[in-house]
Amino acid sequence: EAGVAQSPRYKIIEKRQSVAFWCNPISGHATLYWYQQILGQGPKLLIQFQNNGVVDDSQLPKDRFSAERLKGVDSTLKIQPAKLEDSAVYLCASSPGHLFAKNIQYFGAGTRLSVL
Amino acid sequence: QQQVKQSPQSLIVQKGGISIINCAYENTAFDYFPWYQQFPGKGPALLIAIRPDVSEKKEGRFTISFNKSAKQFSLHIMDSQPGDSATYFCAAVRGSGYSTLTFGKGTMLLVSP
Repeated sequence: EAGVAQSPRYKIIEKRQSVAFWCNPISGHATLYWYQQILGQGPKLLIQFQNNGVVDDSQLPKDRFSAERLKGVDSTLKIQPAKLEDSAVYLCASSPGHLFAKNIQYFGAGTRLSVL
Repeated sequence: QQQVKQSPQSLIVQKGGISIINCAYENTAFDYFPWYQQFPGKGPALLIAIRPDVSEKKEGRFTISFNKSAKQFSLHIMDSQPGDSATYFCAAVRGSGYSTLTFGKGTMLLVSP
């Protein structure tokens, strides 16, 4: 079974530039998550999708961050414009979503973003 | 507000020793407590998890101890090996609605040969 795929693995941009990250979850997983992991900290949830609908985006800085999950499969996370404090690893995770396994999340390797 | 507090921040254990990582939570709505293991350059991977209706769960060399009244839980790694060197995160999940993980800050474990 293929895991969660993310690209790119690394990205370096200057502040005020735009950047986009892509995630392809495990096939058949209904729930998709984007997390921000700042160096030395645990992942922080940015947004959670159930199929193609948003169920939690309370911690997403909506003035600069946006995300979409068209057709309920892959997803993109965009930052526009980027700030220095956005330097972090952006992790995508997916979950089967059904009651039996709804708590189990599978993570991709992440995209490491450096904002200069 | 940090909902899940984890300690220590870093830990060095000799090969064959016992590694112990502790976590505490405040929100009594949490009802699922997983531990994740993360190697450099990789995403976190589920290691072991427990529900609050049991006090202990063991899987191989990994054991979770859970104290519901104290709102604390801990990970014990028996016979620690150099391959266990990684960052460990405790987490908590609210029972109702969609599962949302709240992570601790992590513990960097180094097992010396």
